[in-house]
Amino acid sequence: DTEVTQTPKHLVMGMTNKKSLKCEQHMGHRAMYWYKQKAKKPPELMFVYSYEKLSINESVPSRFSPECPNSSLLNLHLHALQPEDSALYLCASSQLTSGGYNEQFFGPGTRLTVL
Amino acid sequence: DQQVKQNSPSLSVQEGRISILNCDYTNSMFDYFLWYKKYPAEGPTFLISISSIKDKNEDGRFTVFLNKSAKHLSLHIVPSQPGDSAVYFCAASSNRDDKIIFGKGTRLHILP
Repeated sequence: DTEVTQTPKHLVMGMTNKKSLKCEQHMGHRAMYWYKQKAKKPPELMFVYSYEKLSINESVPSRFSPECPNSSLLNLHLHALQPEDSALYLCASSQLTSGGYNEQFFGPGTRLTVL
Repeated sequence: DQQVKQNSPSLSVQEGRISILNCDYTNSMFDYFLWYKKYPAEGPTFLISISSIKDKNEDGRFTVFLNKSAKHLSLHIVPSQPGDSAVYFCAASSNRDDKIIFGKGTRLHILP
């Protein structure tokens, strides 16, 4: 299984809603990532989990809350979002090697619209 | 401050010809470079990579060249095919952390 899956594919939410994005991989990768991508821009890193521990938070607002329940799953909990948070949210995973080099494998993304 | 730069937002190439996508970087700590391909409404797909100890890596129709002294890399696609039409992101990382830094991407159009 060489896939990273993400659900839901599309999400529309109001500014007062609470929702969660889910990501799953079964490649045995020990690093998982959340990215945000706006139209015609590159993916922007939000969070990195290494061995199920949060290792990087790129100064993301607290209305985004990541969670890594186990080595295969990664969630992103959303609360009180703003319309400008509308974007494609991408999950990725990678193997962690002693040399540190890693190809990240991306899921198809969740298209989020905040009304 | 852009650490990975793709200065051509778009490129059009005739089918069957060579496509050359360029990328420059500024951070000399980068020692691993990747190319990703992205179709609309999909996640990026890993294409090919190169570590800084090499100057060339080839995989089928795709070849990546690295010029460390110029801090420049390029992706060659030959022959170009219609399915190659996509946005190509250059990315770089160092073995000091888990981050990959992406360029802004180049949209490649393969013309019939």
